[in-house]
Amino acid sequence: AQSVAQPEDQVNVAEGNPLTVKCTYSVSGNPYLFWYVQYPNRGLQFLLKYITGDNLVKGSYGFEAEFNKSQTSFHLKKPSALVSDSALYFCAVRAPERDDKIIFGKGTRLHILP
Amino acid sequence: GAGVSQSPSNKVTEKGKDVELRCDPISGHTALYWYRQSLGQGLEFLIYFQGNSAPDKSGLPSDRFSAERTGGSVSTLTIQRTQQEDSAVYLCASSPGPGKDGYFGPGTRLLVL
Repeated sequence: AQSVAQPEDQVNVAEGNPLTVKCTYSVSGNPYLFWYVQYPNRGLQFLLKYITGDNLVKGSYGFEAEFNKSQTSFHLKKPSALVSDSALYFCAVRAPERDDKIIFGKGTRLHILP
Repeated sequence: GAGVSQSPSNKVTEKGKDVELRCDPISGHTALYWYRQSLGQGLEFLIYFQGNSAPDKSGLPSDRFSAERTGGSVSTLTIQRTQQEDSAVYLCASSPGPGKDGYFGPGTRLLVL
């Protein structure tokens, strides 16, 4: 069965610094990988996805993620953090060749310090 | 167009009562998912519907939980004999099909007293 690990419960970054939110996955076959963001008192919003092609995927709000097959990772990155980026971030994996369930990690709370 | 909607937005119930949570997916979306988000926890997969296929119920935590999807559209998640540990936000998502992006509803916040 597929699984996702987000090893950090919380990440603190100073505003203007680069940020990384880590994600590793386990799945049979070719994975579809996603990042979602949840702002306080709001629903989940799609950020970006990797299905195939270029390993570096660019998404909303200046975020990007790099698919690394050998390390089974899909870390979320942003070159310069904003206070407004503070939110809960979820990594997710799908295995459409199997059952297409979307399995989420536990989430990482990102705090951007002014 | 309209996104995924869920009702009620908030539900307070007494322990032992049954509750029904409703999800209206985006029109035409063949896939529908239910998740549970407990305080301080991640998103726990509950059940997945895809078209006319038998649903994947592997995430349902106990036989008190069940879900239906009528006519390939609206879905209802039913929790029987609710317990305090059922308190959580229940999220529904729909997707146009295999491998496509999932769109989430705002959730139903359930509190079991």
